[in-house]
Amino acid sequence: SQKIEQNSEALNIQEGKTATLTCNYTNYSPAYLQWYRQDPGRGPVFLLLIRENEKEKRKERLKVTFDTTLKQSLFHITASQPADSATYLCALDDSSASKIIFGSGTRLSIRP
Amino acid sequence: GAGVSQSPSNKVTEKGKDVELRCDPISGHTALYWYRQSLGQGLEFLIYFQGNSAPDKSGLPSDRFSAERTGGSVSTLTIQRTQQEDSAVYLCASSLRVEKNIQYFGAGTRLSVL
Repeated sequence: SQKIEQNSEALNIQEGKTATLTCNYTNYSPAYLQWYRQDPGRGPVFLLLIRENEKEKRKERLKVTFDTTLKQSLFHITASQPADSATYLCALDDSSASKIIFGSGTRLSIRP
Repeated sequence: GAGVSQSPSNKVTEKGKDVELRCDPISGHTALYWYRQSLGQGLEFLIYFQGNSAPDKSGLPSDRFSAERTGGSVSTLTIQRTQQEDSAVYLCASSLRVEKNIQYFGAGTRLSVL
C-alpha cells in the first residue's frame, strides 16, 4: 500500500543545534516533494520544493535532500531557534492521481 | 484579498444539522483543495477542483459531504446531518495549477459537532 511517514514522535532540540526531520514514502514515484510549516491554529505554509532530479536544495538556514533510491527526504534546520518550533509537513505529488499527499507531520520544539 | 480566506473561523453545531464552510481562493488560482485535519493529525484530502474539469471527489468520506465551486472561484463545502466524528479543522488551499505547484492555505474552519 502507499504510505508517507514522518518522525512519529515530537522532536526536542537545543537552540543552536541542527534539527533533522525525516520523510519516508512507499509505493509512490513523486516528481517532486515539498515541505511545509504549520503553526497552531494556522494553515500550513510552503517552505521548499525539491524535484526528483535534485539531490539537495537550500534556503537560508533550511536544507532539504531527496533520495529517490532510499525513497526519503531529509529536512534540516541549522542554527535552530525557538521561533522554529512548529509542526513540519512533507508532501509529495501522487502522479497517478494528480494530487498532493501530505504526511502527518513532525512537531519540532526548540528549547532555549 | 492577498491570501486564501475561509469562513467562518469557528463553527459549533448540533449533531444532525447541516453546515456550510466557505473558501475564497487567491485570485487567479485555478486549483482549489479541501482537506480535513483532526487534532494532532495530518491533512486528509477531501476534494479538489481544477478549472472547469470535473472535481476529484475521491477523498470525501461519505455522501453527507459535498462541495461546489461557483464561477471557478469561491467554494463551499457542505456537510449534511453532521456527526460528532466530523469535528475537525477544515482547511482550504489554492494553487496556480494542480501539478508541480505550491499550495496556499487558509487558516481553516474549526468545526465542533456537539
